[in-house]
This record gives sequence, C-alpha cells and structure tokens, in this order.
Amino acid sequence: SQTIHQWPATLVQPVGSPLSLECTVEGTSNPNLYWYRQAAGRGLQLLFYSVGIGQISSEVPQNLSASRPQDRQFILSSKKLLLSDSGFYLCAWGGGGSPLHFGNGTRLTVT
Amino acid sequence: QKEVEQNSGPLSVPEGAIASLNCTYSDRGSQSFFWYRQYSGKSPELIMSIYSNGDKEDGRFTAQLNKASQYVSLLIRDSQPSDSATYLCAVDTGANSKLTFGKGITLSVRP
Repeated sequence: SQTIHQWPATLVQPVGSPLSLECTVEGTSNPNLYWYRQAAGRGLQLLFYSVGIGQISSEVPQNLSASRPQDRQFILSSKKLLLSDSGFYLCAWGGGGSPLHFGNGTRLTVT
Repeated sequence: QKEVEQNSGPLSVPEGAIASLNCTYSDRGSQSFFWYRQYSGKSPELIMSIYSNGDKEDGRFTAQLNKASQYVSLLIRDSQPSDSATYLCAVDTGANSKLTFGKGITLSVRP
C-alpha cells in the first residue's frame, strides 16, 4: 500500500531563516505530488505541484520554491522566511481524477 | 477562475441527527468530486469519492452529485460527537491534475 511521509511535524523558525520541508512517498511510482498551505482558519492553498522528476508548476508567486530530485521525493524550500509563511504545510500525492492523499503535515511558525 | 463554494458554517446538530453539507462548483467540466474530513490540527482524510450523478453510500455517509445543477452534497446519518470536524469539498476538473478545495464547513455534533 501507498504511504506518504512528511517531516518535521512542527517547526519554529525566525524571520529571515531558510526552510526545507521534505516529503517522500512509498508504494507507487511516478506519482503526482503537491504542496499545499493552510493558514489559520483558512482553506487549502495549492503552492506547487509536480507530475515528474524536475517538473514543477508554481501556483502562487512568493518566496517559496519546490524541487523534485527523485521520483518519490518532493522538497519545499525558502531562502528567507517571512512572518506570512506561517501555516500548516501539507504534502499530497494522487490527483489526475483520483483523490489526493495527504501526509501528516508540518506546522510552521515563523517568529 | 474555477471556484468551489461551501455553505457558511459552523453547523451544529444534535447527536443522532442527519447532518447535511453542501457544495457548489463553477466548472461544468468537472469530473471527480471528493469529501474530506479534517480534525483540528490534523491533515485532511478522504471519506468519500463520487464520479457520476446520483447517490453513493458508505456506512453512515452518503454523497450526492448533480452535475446539471453543479452541486455535490454529503449527508451524515446518525451523527456522532466524533463526527465533529471540518469537512472539505474538493473538485477535480481533469485539467492539470489539480484539485480545487472549498474553504470547508465546521460541523459540531452536540451530545
């Protein structure tokens, strides 16, 4: 069966510091991968999605970036965090007519 | 702009009652429809998928889809306090493998 791992679970970072969140999927090959952000009390905002290695589509221009160095690995990064980057970050796989399956998420607080 | 709208909440029902959650979408070409449940502080989990007009039942949950009227609903029978959560409607238009989520509605089941 397919599983998705996302870490860390929580993160507190100062403004201006870098960020790296990692997500890996097991049990499937060439999955569509997604990064979403959920700000407090708000809906899910799609940040990036990828249909293959090295293929990244950005939905929202901002100071975040994503990379897919391996088939089942998706990384979300930032060189300098802003206060507005605080939120609940979710990695997911699936789509293309099938449902998305989410990881457990990373709660990021930028101080 | 593809939109998914959910009726504003929160929704409160007594234990044992039927909870009715509604969702409308703007893209007539939408093909796949999903309901997710999200407990506070947790990631969304898939509870129902529906792809064709009509009703689909799974235990106490029934999803209803009407493509002509562009709405999808979720009925929860014999509501339990453990059903208290935020429910997210998601729609896949079939383009670019992306899901569009509604903002969610918070359900509270009173013992």
